[in-house]
Amino acid sequence: DAGITQSPRHKVTETGTPVTLRCHQTENHRYMYWYRQDPGHGLRLIHYSYGVKDTDKGEVSDGYSVSRSKTEDFLLTLESATSSQTSVYFCAISESIGTGLIRAANYGYTFGSGTRLTVV
Amino acid sequence: AQSVTQLDSQVPVFEEAPVELRCNYSSSVSVYLFWYVQYPNQGLQLLLKYLSGSTLVESINGFEAEFNKSQTSFHLRKPSVHISDTAEYFCAANRVGSQGNLIFGKGTKLSVKP
Repeated sequence: DAGITQSPRHKVTETGTPVTLRCHQTENHRYMYWYRQDPGHGLRLIHYSYGVKDTDKGEVSDGYSVSRSKTEDFLLTLESATSSQTSVYFCAISESIGTGLIRAANYGYTFGSGTRLTVV
Repeated sequence: AQSVTQLDSQVPVFEEAPVELRCNYSSSVSVYLFWYVQYPNQGLQLLLKYLSGSTLVESINGFEAEFNKSQTSFHLRKPSVHISDTAEYFCAANRVGSQGNLIFGKGTKLSVKP
């Protein structure tokens, strides 16, 4: 989608190797998210970021780490890839409008096109 | 914990027939609700959303969804589907006042046949 790109689009890696996926945005949005999509599970949140160097865990964060040193980039790292991490990974961005309890997701996410990762 | 349930994993339908994709959420507090669509080999796109106000919301391509608080539902409907509506549809919710992270249902694959 315009304003958000993921790289690489496809990757095959071996069990035990480190892998880093990149999400890059040009929208200057504050919030960024990493989800994984698996058949029968829908989308599950891995990690998210609410600002530079501000990140938090989602529901399936084990085995993953993230970093956000710049507003535009959000990196997802698999320190030692396992076959259970074979999945399609989506990055999403959103912006917060208003103050107080109004949060970013309330106005919808913009998703990237995904990275298909295969761990063999 | 809040959850979103999509009751049908697959819905086959003939072209020009009506369709309803069901979504229920569980939450003891107010929520914001969304439908996203995913076409093959693409990311998700926002289809429509309910934040407040009128309980009936519409998309630009003829879909509509109605927020029903008493039944905790947000079903998606279209009176006449096209082949091009073939896609996977995801219902999502987040709790008002929360961090705002969306919780997604497991998806419903809509297959429109000629």
